[in-house]
Amino acid sequence: SQQGEEDPQALSIQEGENATMNCSYKTSINNLQWYRQNSGRGLVHLILIRSNEREKHSGRLRVTLDTSKKSSSLLITASRAADTASYFCAPNTFTGANSKLTFGKGITLSVRP
Amino acid sequence: ETGVTQTPRHLVMGMTNKKSLKCEQHLGHNAMYWYKQSAKKPLELMFVYNFKEQTENNSVPSRFSPECPNSSHLFLHLHTLQPEDSALYLCASSLYRGNNSPLHFGNGTRLTVT
Repeated sequence: SQQGEEDPQALSIQEGENATMNCSYKTSINNLQWYRQNSGRGLVHLILIRSNEREKHSGRLRVTLDTSKKSSSLLITASRAADTASYFCAPNTFTGANSKLTFGKGITLSVRP
Repeated sequence: ETGVTQTPRHLVMGMTNKKSLKCEQHLGHNAMYWYKQSAKKPLELMFVYNFKEQTENNSVPSRFSPECPNSSHLFLHLHTLQPEDSALYLCASSLYRGNNSPLHFGNGTRLTVT
């Protein structure tokens, strides 16, 4: 399967702690994207990391990519209750003339106040 | 406000009904998508349109029929659905059907088939 597989499936932390979420995939990618979904809402794009990049930052988010291990991680620093959501990784593979973004089942993050 | 608007937000329909889901984007994007999100399952890509042309149909049953009259509007026509079709249906758009164009999602239509 080309989909990203997130780990753990669920994560519960205290406000102020860091949250680390992992993603593994099976095929070569052009880029990998992380999305967040609040309950009852659509997905929101967080960050895109290209296959030739190893690390990327956006505010309190830090994403790493290891193409040799076919894995990525999303770190949220100094978490807040508002970070409670589901997080999805989506490897972007290139098949023929089209790129294909494939989502996993997501990680449910709960941040306790 | 996500820039992608889906209506209705909730829909309950019987198995013999015919209904349509609507999606509208004013982001100037050229590609639009339908996804199905069921509990405990990965997000499933159903259809892709690029510049109004359907470029992908991921083995979706014919009881789901998409329509894209222009680059800003996307419909999903539903008829004779099954209870297992109950799910959150998400519309998304991107600037291009391409490599580095992130998806912008609507808030979905929660569909219940009775």
